[in-house]
Amino acid sequence: GENVEQHPSTLSVQEGDSAVIKCTYSDSASNYFPWYKQELGKGPQLIIDIRSNVGEKKDQRIAVTLNKTAKHFSLHITETQPEDSAVYFCAASKGTGGFKTIFGAGTRLFVKA
Amino acid sequence: DTGVSQDPRHKITKRGQNVTFRCDPISEHNRLYWYRQTLGQGPEFLTYFQNEAQLEKSRLLSDRFSAERPKGSFSTLEIQRTEQGDSAMYLCASSLVGSSGELFFGEGSRLTVL
Repeated sequence: GENVEQHPSTLSVQEGDSAVIKCTYSDSASNYFPWYKQELGKGPQLIIDIRSNVGEKKDQRIAVTLNKTAKHFSLHITETQPEDSAVYFCAASKGTGGFKTIFGAGTRLFVKA
Repeated sequence: DTGVSQDPRHKITKRGQNVTFRCDPISEHNRLYWYRQTLGQGPEFLTYFQNEAQLEKSRLLSDRFSAERPKGSFSTLEIQRTEQGDSAMYLCASSLVGSSGELFFGEGSRLTVL
């Protein structure tokens, strides 16, 4: 089955710096790669996603890149702010409408003011 | 609020007792998922429904676990004869077939087994 590995497990940056989180997946049939943010006491919430027919996607300070050949994808957050502090999960799935989404172990991001 | 709701939010029980969690998905969503999350880990897939049909179950879902979605709306997850290793956050999510694939999560039900 699908396996998603995520690095680093913890990331600490200074406010205004960039943060990068990297993930690899194992199932070449996966075609949808979402990123979720989880704040304390809440469920994960989608922040950005990318499909396998796209190499890069950007939404304001957040961007994702996907390398299908290498089976890895990354999240880039620029100009980090204290409110970006949270746990971030990468995930992979195939099919449409969600199907079975497999999550990485998470990256705890600390943004120091 | 029309998001995914879960009940109860917290449950403390003694080992060997049965517990049941309820999930109400977003009303028009036909897929419903159960995940388990332990401290410092990502959500682990347990099972999912499309309408009332349970389409897949993870190997993590032992025979002490059962999930139902009888009318294709709300779902229940029951754990029988709870063990300390069952202590975790149980997350429910929903989505719509044919949509982007985004899962909409509830805030979870935290189980503590003493």
